[in-house]
Order: sequence, then structure tokens, then C-alpha cells
Amino acid sequence: KNEVEQSPQNLTAQEGEFITINCSYSVGISALHWLQQHPGGGIVSLFMLSSGKKKHGRLIATINIQEKHSSLHITASHPRDSAVYICAVRLPLGGSQGNLIFGKGTKLSVKP
Amino acid sequence: GAGVSQSPSNKVTEKGKDVELRCDPISGHTALYWYRQSLGQGLEFLIYFQGNSAPDKSGLPSDRFSAERTGGSVSTLTIQRTQQEDSAVYLCASSFGGTRRGYEQFFGPGTRLTVL
Repeated sequence: KNEVEQSPQNLTAQEGEFITINCSYSVGISALHWLQQHPGGGIVSLFMLSSGKKKHGRLIATINIQEKHSSLHITASHPRDSAVYICAVRLPLGGSQGNLIFGKGTKLSVKP
Repeated sequence: GAGVSQSPSNKVTEKGKDVELRCDPISGHTALYWYRQSLGQGLEFLIYFQGNSAPDKSGLPSDRFSAERTGGSVSTLTIQRTQQEDSAVYLCASSFGGTRRGYEQFFGPGTRLTVL
């Protein structure tokens, strides 16, 4: 079983729809990241959070530490949101401080 | 530029040859990470450098892989005697390190390695 599970693996939406991508993890973490990887391969960090909720434009990320679950929401989706969204967790300090454990990603396609 | 840069962007090599991949992190970032992404797979951690500390090599898949970081800045990932299963996109990222700074990582564009 992967330590970081994302769902769904693939998601197709119509422009304007509200989108939710889920991430569950099985290890203790110090932070969780949401990353966006565009078809060209470039990766951009969207959020880093350790509690609560963060909002940036049409993107909202939430995390529930007790339930070991995070969600990424996209409001009023647009074709330019089409990308792979990757959840990654950081292990707590005291363990290996360097690495992130990545989910396999959710491929989102937003149709006009 | 202000971002993380990597070179080459593409590398095609023959099985058994050695390759070197380069990463220039963002100036001032003390932490540097190497990851790889194989076709159809998720990102996989390889190695992490933080300041002058010993690197975390726990993700390197075999002793054919090594990396160094000179002067706390530029890093080189070396793969010796390449195998076809080494074909992947190799990504470098950098961040401010330490326990009191944010850990947001900034990724380079990657090097696509193809081993024939």
C-alpha cells in the first residue's frame, strides 16, 4: 500500500465545474504539499500546509491532520487548469528531513 | 534567471555509458533535492543536500547513482553504467532549509534521460 494515496487518478470536468482532488496518507507528517505539473513537465508548488486551510485565487487546500487527509479544490475550473496535481507529504523532523513522499498524481482535464 | 535551472534538458545515451546531470539552485537556497519521474510513475526521491550536512542518500536506487554539491550551490547527479530502467525525467528542486524557514520547494524543468 502506498503511503500517499490520491483519488481520483483521472478526472475530466467541464469548464466552470467545482473540482475536488483527495489525498490520504498513512504516515506522520510535518507538512503536506500540493504540486501542479503541466503537460510540458514543469512542476509548480501550489500549497504547503500543516493545518487548516489555505486559499490562492480559485484554489483551496485543506488538511485534517487527525484524519490524515487533504483536499485540493478548484472553483470555476478552466481548461488552463488541466494538469497533473500531485500530493506530497514531508516526514517529521528527526527522521529524514529531506525527502517528500509523493502520491501518483491526479490527471485533470477540463473541457471547454 | 531567478529559478532553478537544469542541464541538459534532454540526454540520450547508450546503455553502459556514464551521464552527468547538472542543477543550479536558486541563489540563497541551502537545501537541494534530486527526484526522478519514470514514465507513468510518480515522483521518487533520490537525494537531499542541506548546507554542509552529510547528504541524505536514502533514495538512491543503486551504487551506480551518486551526487555532489560543490560550494553549497551547483549539484551534479552522476549515473554510471546506465541501464534502460534509468530512463526517466530527473528533477532538481531547491528550498530554504532549516527548521525555522519554509520548506516550499521550487522545481527545475528537469532533464529527460533516455537510455537506449
